[in-house]
Amino acid sequence: DTEVTQTPKHLVMGMTNKKSLKCEQHMGHRAMYWYKQKAKKPPELMFVYSYEKLSINESVPSRFSPECPNSSLLNLHLHALQPEDSALYLCASTTIGEGDTEAFFGQGTRLTVV
Amino acid sequence: SQQGEEDPQALSIQEGENATMNCSYKTSINNLQWYRQNSGRGLVHLILIRSNEREKHSGRLRVTLDTSKKSSSLLITASRAADTASYFCATDELNDMRFGAGTRLTVKP
Repeated sequence: DTEVTQTPKHLVMGMTNKKSLKCEQHMGHRAMYWYKQKAKKPPELMFVYSYEKLSINESVPSRFSPECPNSSLLNLHLHALQPEDSALYLCASTTIGEGDTEAFFGQGTRLTVV
Repeated sequence: SQQGEEDPQALSIQEGENATMNCSYKTSINNLQWYRQNSGRGLVHLILIRSNEREKHSGRLRVTLDTSKKSSSLLITASRAADTASYFCATDELNDMRFGAGTRLTVKP
């Protein structure tokens, strides 16, 4: 199984809502990533978890709250978002410390904040 | 923040022609990777080149790496309409993976 599964595929939420994005992989990867991607732009790193611990936080606003409850699951909790947070949110996973760290990506969640 | 710049930003060619994309990066790296993205969905890994390698081939793909210039290039030979996509380079340093600006490739049938 070389899949990274993201749910939901699409999400529309109001600025006062609370929602969560979910990402799951069963490849035994111990690094998991959240990226944000705006149209015609590259993926922008938000968070990295290594061995279920937050290792990189790219000064992301606190309205985005990541969580890694176990080695297979990564969540991104959303609260009080702004319309400019509308984007494609991508999850990825890799091995750690094995040299050739090919990343596997989910298909993303297309988020629209209204 | 993103890792670096890619050029060209957009490239349009005819089927059968070769496509070359360039990537520059800023920091030291363990390896450099190229990814493809169709229609704003998930990225797919194409090829990885280690920092101690200068050139690598995989099928119709050829990647070069010049660590002294902090640059890489991706060549797609004998392009097909199905190669139409965005292509990104990515650098990886201790699981800190960042992407270049990307090249949007259009291959016309």
